[in-house]
Amino acid sequence: QSALTQPRSVSGSPGQSVTISCTGTSSDVVNYDFVSWYQHHPGRAPKLIIFYVTNRPSGVPDRFSGSKSGNTASLTISGLQAEDEADYYCCSSTGTYTWVFGGGTKLTVL
Amino acid sequence: EVQLVESGGGLVQPGGSLRLSCGVSGFTFSTYSMNWVRQAPGKGLEWLSYSRVSPDIKEYADSVKGRFIISRDSAKNSLYLEMNGLRPEDTAVYYCVRDHYYSFDYWGQGILVTVSS
Repeated sequence: QSALTQPRSVSGSPGQSVTISCTGTSSDVVNYDFVSWYQHHPGRAPKLIIFYVTNRPSGVPDRFSGSKSGNTASLTISGLQAEDEADYYCCSSTGTYTWVFGGGTKLTVL
Repeated sequence: EVQLVESGGGLVQPGGSLRLSCGVSGFTFSTYSMNWVRQAPGKGLEWLSYSRVSPDIKEYADSVKGRFIISRDSAKNSLYLEMNGLRPEDTAVYYCVRDHYYSFDYWGQGILVTVSS
């Protein structure tokens, strides 16, 4: 199972919005709405920020939003803050009880 | 408070075996599916294995199928990963992760496994 495709890096200034794409295939993103996103600060445990394509867990700010169209899922972070600087990973189900992650995107807040 | 604590990592020679443990608290372990996810140095996250209690279902990534075995002991609130035939490319931080509607909502802090001679 090949990893989902994410840009290696994105950047934005405080207050701006950035969007991270996650491209898959008919084996994952296209045919499953079980797309999730994770924020990972190095040295810490990854944190779930979006599940079921668009849903935010309790406690995650509404600055984080998810969407999906065709073979591409997207994470948008609006009103960038310094603490948003981290690695972001998408993940999709690839069938019954199996998953694949994207390669990860490093977000730099300028 | 939900907590997941991994243990059992360390240095092992190629071809060797290691058993990771994950002790959980703060939720009813027997009612949740669980996973193992790893991150090799400088690499991204990789899903490895899934365990569901009822029905009894276990799944594995192709990269570890036939070498790793996931198991759980509800009486001890513990998840395990038996790793055999270890290779240098298995060197990674291994995370114990709780399943949440086909996503992963709680993660342990991770445990380092190094495969080297």
